[in-house]
Amino acid sequence: DAKTTQPPSMDCAEGRAANLPCNHSTISGNEYVYWYRQIHSQGPQYIIHGLKNNETNEMASLIITEDRKSSTLILPHATLRDTAVYYCIVRVDDRGSTLGRLYFGRGTQLTVWP
Amino acid sequence: DAGVIQSPRHEVTEMGQEVTLRCKPISGHNSLFWYRQTMMRGLELLIYFNNNVPIDDSGMPEDRFSAKMPNASFSTLKIQPSEPRDSAVYFCASSFSGTQPQHFGDGTRLSIL
Repeated sequence: DAKTTQPPSMDCAEGRAANLPCNHSTISGNEYVYWYRQIHSQGPQYIIHGLKNNETNEMASLIITEDRKSSTLILPHATLRDTAVYYCIVRVDDRGSTLGRLYFGRGTQLTVWP
Repeated sequence: DAGVIQSPRHEVTEMGQEVTLRCKPISGHNSLFWYRQTMMRGLELLIYFNNNVPIDDSGMPEDRFSAKMPNASFSTLKIQPSEPRDSAVYFCASSFSGTQPQHFGDGTRLSIL
């Protein structure tokens, strides 16, 4: 039961920033936003996650709105190798029985073109 | 660093045969997950272990599917008997704990004829 909504596809020019939106209007106070991506025929790859503050790592930045109902994953300088399906997932990060469950949804197919 | 290792990478077999998929999680990780991916249903969780104990198997489709984790470094997913509708890519993932990001293997592409 995916709790997120993402556009099915987006494209971006190589070298430009790719901004991938995600709506999660029913997110609860203790639920984190996770982003994964899946390059064709490979396993999903973890990118970044956050609760309410913006986060940045070597791969991307995550911007979460103040009401936490939406977020944006930013790839600052997209390359051809960033072409993949990007999944936005909300998950409870506490020690409950379903703490490991990820609902992947359909994600956004990002195509980076030369 | 070795990631999650799955074997075989590809498996083609006839319906009715037993299929065993194998997974070696990242050393030190204590949570292990089995997922299945199809075009129709996308990526769905089948079962989840924590400290070698199955925690949530609600995603296992039916009794033909079983999973074991005899020790911290090995898990199997078995299908017996296999059916054509079991054809999919099966992924194994592990994490340091159930709350930490999951790291996925490259999957086993299973075709049941």
